[in-house]
Amino acid sequence: GAGVSQSPSNKVTEKGKDVELRCDPISGHTALYWYRQSLGQGLEFLIYFQGNSAPDKSGLPSDRFSAERTGGSVSTLTIQRTQQEDSAVYLCASSLEGRLKGSGELFFGEGSRLTVL
Amino acid sequence: GQNIDQPTEMTATEGAIVQINCTYQTSGFNGLFWYQQHAGEAPTFLSYNVLDGLEEKGRFSSFLSRSKGYSYLLLKELQMKDSASYLCAVRDGDYQLIWGAGTKLIIKP
Repeated sequence: GAGVSQSPSNKVTEKGKDVELRCDPISGHTALYWYRQSLGQGLEFLIYFQGNSAPDKSGLPSDRFSAERTGGSVSTLTIQRTQQEDSAVYLCASSLEGRLKGSGELFFGEGSRLTVL
Repeated sequence: GQNIDQPTEMTATEGAIVQINCTYQTSGFNGLFWYQQHAGEAPTFLSYNVLDGLEEKGRFSSFLSRSKGYSYLLLKELQMKDSASYLCAVRDGDYQLIWGAGTKLIIKP
């Protein structure tokens, strides 16, 4: 597609349920990032993919969070046994190269707003 | 530790000029980025600085001083559509970006 697409745009779930968030990056972009954005805070890095592999998972907050990427394209972020503190906007971004060179910019999706009741 | 500071909120008048500051302390430095984010929308790339000095792009300019750990984004001839949050981010290695909390800019007529 023309841009990074994320779904669902909004998700309301009950505490303890599992959720799956999807990201469809720009075609041809090898690098994919997941960030979490909470009100009044900077973007929090979660995970980085280069192709299908994830060389950096250091930002995943707990083992309830996992992510995969298949075919070097679509990625899913899964949160198991959701907690209220997981409520945030989850942003996906892609770029042409993983190792950002020069002004290599990130292209962001509009995010998935997760609310855990 | 890693730290990026920018004002939480600023207000300016349509047609005026505003400067949004960003100071950083990071373990490495491989470029500084500014992104614009309208409420409920995706952040979009505005500018990139890796060398000291001023980069101008239309109504927007970005300045960097690496020795001072300081950058600013200058917006001229402000328009109502410039009302948005402005995010400062530092690339501290090959790919990792450290983000500030963003500055919400309010433009008044």
